[in-house]
Amino acid sequence: DTEVTQTPKHLVMGMTNKKSLKCEQHMGHRAMYWYKQKAKKPPELMFVYSYEKLSINESVPSRFSPECPNSSLLNLHLHALQPEDSALYLCASSQRIGGNEKLFFGSGTQLPVL
Amino acid sequence: GEDVEQSLFLSVREGDSSVINCTYTDSSSTYLYWYKQEPGAGLQLLTYIFSNMDMKQDQRLTVLLNKKDKHLSLRIADTQTGDSAIYFCAENSGNTPLVFGKGTRLSVIA
Repeated sequence: DTEVTQTPKHLVMGMTNKKSLKCEQHMGHRAMYWYKQKAKKPPELMFVYSYEKLSINESVPSRFSPECPNSSLLNLHLHALQPEDSALYLCASSQRIGGNEKLFFGSGTQLPVL
Repeated sequence: GEDVEQSLFLSVREGDSSVINCTYTDSSSTYLYWYKQEPGAGLQLLTYIFSNMDMKQDQRLTVLLNKKDKHLSLRIADTQTGDSAIYFCAENSGNTPLVFGKGTRLSVIA
């Protein structure tokens, strides 16, 4: 199984909603990532978990809250998003941080914020 | 900080070769990668090269690395319409996260 599964594929949020994005992998990878990708731009790193501990937080606003319940699961909790948060949210995993950091990406959650 | 630059667009005819170029600034880069992103999808790792190599071939894909000039290229032989996508160059060194280029949109004309 070389897949990273993200749900939901699409999510429409109002500015007062609370929702969560979910990501799952069963490759035994110990690093998991959240990226944000705006149209026609490269992915921007948001968070990295390594061995289920938050390793990198790229100064992301507190309305985004990551959670890593176990080594296979990664969640991103969303609250009171702004229209500029509209993007494709991508989850990825790799065996570990650094070295030959081959990332496996999910297909993303398309998230317009109205 | 580290920077990775790519040209934004490339258009080729079906059956021709495509060459996508990338330059990077971090001289301590250890691995360099090519990712492909089709519309509405995540990124797919196509290939990678370790910095002590200068060439790697994998079926229709050839990666060339000029470490002195910090230049990486991806050649796709016999380009097909299914190769139309955005191609991202990326690099990392040590324990730093991947740095992505802005992506090159490849259009294949039938």
